[in-house]
Amino acid sequence: GAVVSQHPSWVICKSGTSVKIECRSLDFQATTMFWYRQFPKQSLMLMATSNEGSKATYEQGVEKDKFLINHASLTLSTLTVTSAHPEDSSFYICSARGTGNVVGEKLFFGSGTQLSVL
Amino acid sequence: DAKTTQPTSMDCAEGRAANLPCNHSTISGNEYVYWYRQIHSQGPQYIIHGLKNNETNEMASLIITEDRKSSTLILPHATLRDTAVYYCIVRPGGLYNFNKFYFGSGTKLNVKP
Repeated sequence: GAVVSQHPSWVICKSGTSVKIECRSLDFQATTMFWYRQFPKQSLMLMATSNEGSKATYEQGVEKDKFLINHASLTLSTLTVTSAHPEDSSFYICSARGTGNVVGEKLFFGSGTQLSVL
Repeated sequence: DAKTTQPTSMDCAEGRAANLPCNHSTISGNEYVYWYRQIHSQGPQYIIHGLKNNETNEMASLIITEDRKSSTLILPHATLRDTAVYYCIVRPGGLYNFNKFYFGSGTKLNVKP
């Protein structure tokens, strides 16, 4: 149980276009989801916290107008990279915290999305 | 801000136990120790977590020192598929505070035949 599905696995886009990444909790409800970014040979950096039905909370230095997050349901959060530029090329990973005492103590991660901006 | 220190890399022979250390000397009383691993180009995978007592599951064992300032993750019989970056994370307890789930640099475990 506790599967997080992330789509797409990889995407290539032209500079200036927008890209949407979906994160779904398949067998549990996720009141809170998190978005991370990982550059090559570096660790994961938290970008923002996504709460169902409310605005996302962004970490310091992350542009909220560039990385739009929507968490419209208990099983889906989306990250849209707007007007993407080559420096936005990175591995984006989502995670979800479930509900319930046991499931809620852990974060479950998606398989990640490799974004390449040309 | 990662609150843990781990060796950059470790080697382990296939079939042997892999012991991965983690230093968390500034851990607070209500903070849990979590271990995740990340295989290349995939999302992190949960391994185990604990507060004070040693823990064991089907994947690994977690040994936490009595003063809780360090811990060791033990993979009892490492296989080539266990080659990954292993992250030790400290997080305040409860169902919240996951926004404080900070990943450090981790330990790259190389399991060799």
